[in-house]
Amino acid sequence: GENVEQHPSTLSVQEGDSAVIKCTYSDSASNYFPWYKQELGKRPQLIIDIRSNVGEKKDQRIAVTLNKTAKHFSLHITETQPEDSAVYFCAASKAADSGYALNFGKGTSLLVTP
Amino acid sequence: NAGVTQTPKFRVLKTGQSMTLLCAQDMNHEYMYWYRQDPGMGLRLIHYSVGEGTTAKGEVPDGYNVSRLKKQNFLLGLESAAPSQTSVYFCASSLVGNYEQYFGPGTRLTVT
Repeated sequence: GENVEQHPSTLSVQEGDSAVIKCTYSDSASNYFPWYKQELGKRPQLIIDIRSNVGEKKDQRIAVTLNKTAKHFSLHITETQPEDSAVYFCAASKAADSGYALNFGKGTSLLVTP
Repeated sequence: NAGVTQTPKFRVLKTGQSMTLLCAQDMNHEYMYWYRQDPGMGLRLIHYSVGEGTTAKGEVPDGYNVSRLKKQNFLLGLESAAPSQTSVYFCASSLVGNYEQYFGPGTRLTVT
């Protein structure tokens, strides 16, 4: 099955700096790559996603890049703020034969210090 | 529109006891999923359903059973709870052909 690896497991940055989280996947049939943010005790919330026919997507301070050849994708957060502190998960999914189920990475705990 | 709801929010079980977790969604979503989340492990798929009356196994199905008798509900059963099933359980749902999944608030289960 699909194996998604995520790095780093923890990341500490100063407010205003950029943060980058990287993920690799193993199944070349995967074609959907979402990123979730999870605050302590809360449910995962989708923050951005990208499909395999797109190389980059941006939404204000957040961007995701995808390299299908290398089978890796990354989350970029610019101008970080303390409220960005949370655990971030990447995931990969392929189409209907797996019910669009998500295979998650193990998460990155991001701490933004003022 | 409540979205995805889960019942109960918290539960403590003794080893060998059984229980059922209920997931309900009011968005008319076809697909529903059960994940478990353990510290340092991310979320792992237990079972999923692509429609009423159909279920399939995910990555970690052992020790769990599921049923989807109504489109809006997806039940997760533990027949004989074990301490290894201590976890936070999340339900999610999505529309046909739409990858985006909407998560419920989670159920924190402790098995002693």
